[in-house]
Amino acid sequence: DAGITQSPRYKITETGRQVTLMCHQTWSHSYMFWYRQDLGHGLRLIYYSAAADITDKGEVPDGYVVSRSKTENFPLTLESATRSQTSVYFCASRPGAGGPTSTDTQYFGPGTRLTVL
Amino acid sequence: GQQLNQSPQSMFIQEGEDVSMNCTSSSIFNTWLWYKQEPGEGPVLLIALYKAGELTSNGRLTAQFGITRKDSFLNISASIPSDVGIYFCAGQPGGNNRLAFGKGNQVVVIP
Repeated sequence: DAGITQSPRYKITETGRQVTLMCHQTWSHSYMFWYRQDLGHGLRLIYYSAAADITDKGEVPDGYVVSRSKTENFPLTLESATRSQTSVYFCASRPGAGGPTSTDTQYFGPGTRLTVL
Repeated sequence: GQQLNQSPQSMFIQEGEDVSMNCTSSSIFNTWLWYKQEPGEGPVLLIALYKAGELTSNGRLTAQFGITRKDSFLNISASIPSDVGIYFCAGQPGGNNRLAFGKGNQVVVIP
C-alpha cells in the first residue's frame, strides 16, 4: 500500500528555472492539496483539486501552476522559480463526500525540500 | 487564511511525564484533527474528532473536541523519547474543503 508519494524528495534549482514537483496517491481520493511549510508560517495552502480537471487557488497561489489530468496525480509547477519559493512542499489527499467520518481527514506525503539558489 | 492558536509553542518534558497541549479558534469547526510531524517527514494523522464533546484515545494519546466547537486538546501520557516531534492541530469549518492549521507545538522529551 504505497499511499501518497512525492518526488523528488530533495531538489536544488536556480532562480528563473521551471521546476515540477510530483504527487501520486493510490487511494483514489477525490481531493488533493499542495501546501508549503515555512518557519513562522506553518502550513499554507497553495492549490487544491476536488477531482480530475478541477483545481482552485489556496492561500498562496502566486508563482505556481497545477494540473490534474488523472485522479491519482497532482503535479505542482513553479514556472520561474524565485528564492522566496525555497520551502518544504507537502502534498495531501482526502476522500470526497461519502462516509460520515472520512471526508475531512487529509493524509500527507513525505514532502519535497526545494532550495532555489 | 484562518489560523488556529496552539499553545505552548514548545515544551521540554521529562520522560514519563504527561503533556497537554491545546488549540483554539475564533470560529466554529466541524472537525478537529491532530497530526505529528517528525524531522524530514510529512505530518501523520494521530486522532480525528468529528463531534463536539467527543473524547478519543489512540494508545497513550487522548484528544477532545471542545463543547464550544472552538477548541481541542491533546494529551500524551507517560511520554517516551519517540514522542519527540511537532504536533499540529487542524480544523475544518463546515461546508469548506480546506483545513486551517495551527503552527505546531514542538515537544522535546528529556530521558
